[in-house]
Amino acid sequence: AQSVTQLDSHVSVSEGTPVLLRCNYSSSYSPSLFWYVQHPNKGLQLLLKYTSAATLVKGINGFEAEFKKSETSFHLTKPSAHMSDAAEYFCVVSVAAGNKLTFGGGTRVLVKP
Amino acid sequence: GAGVSQSPRYKVAKRGQDVALRCDPISGHVSLFWYQQALGQGPEFLTYFQNEAQLDKSGLPSDRFFAERPEGSVSTLKIQRTQQEDSAVYLCASSLQGYSNQPQHFGDGTRLSIL
Repeated sequence: AQSVTQLDSHVSVSEGTPVLLRCNYSSSYSPSLFWYVQHPNKGLQLLLKYTSAATLVKGINGFEAEFKKSETSFHLTKPSAHMSDAAEYFCVVSVAAGNKLTFGGGTRVLVKP
Repeated sequence: GAGVSQSPRYKVAKRGQDVALRCDPISGHVSLFWYQQALGQGPEFLTYFQNEAQLDKSGLPSDRFFAERPEGSVSTLKIQRTQQEDSAVYLCASSLQGYSNQPQHFGDGTRLSIL
């Protein structure tokens, strides 16, 4: 079985300051890990993915995430938040069996001017 | 089209009515997935197709839910005798071949409200 825990349901940052969204996973197999972003009334957009290559993964819009197997973590960071980063972020795990995605509960990011 | 297309975007139905939600995946994508997203929660898996074959329907909440993809492209999710707890956003996603390391591309969803 696989599961994902996003440690913060809400994160509030000021524009121009760093963003950290925390994610821990549990998986019986070597997982593929993703971060998706969802803006209001929109579908999910892929930010980045980890698939057992480099542990530091760079994504779109300046986001990056680091896979740490010893800590079973896959935290998402961005050095400088922008107003357009205000959205809901989901950490997602997938394993070979079934191909279905298992989502964390989401972290809602608020960016203050 | 360039992305996954879902219709309708919004659907309001009375309790007990049947509804049908449509998904047009990205052209050439073999795998198609349906997810249900309740308000304030992350999406949850419903079912998965590889071409026209429904390989996993373990997430369908009851036998009132039925999905099909008869020609391996467009898919329809049908809910019979709708109930209020069916109110949610239904998301469709497709991926090129369905391997776990391939990202799934999502449509904007259908927001279903049951009165």
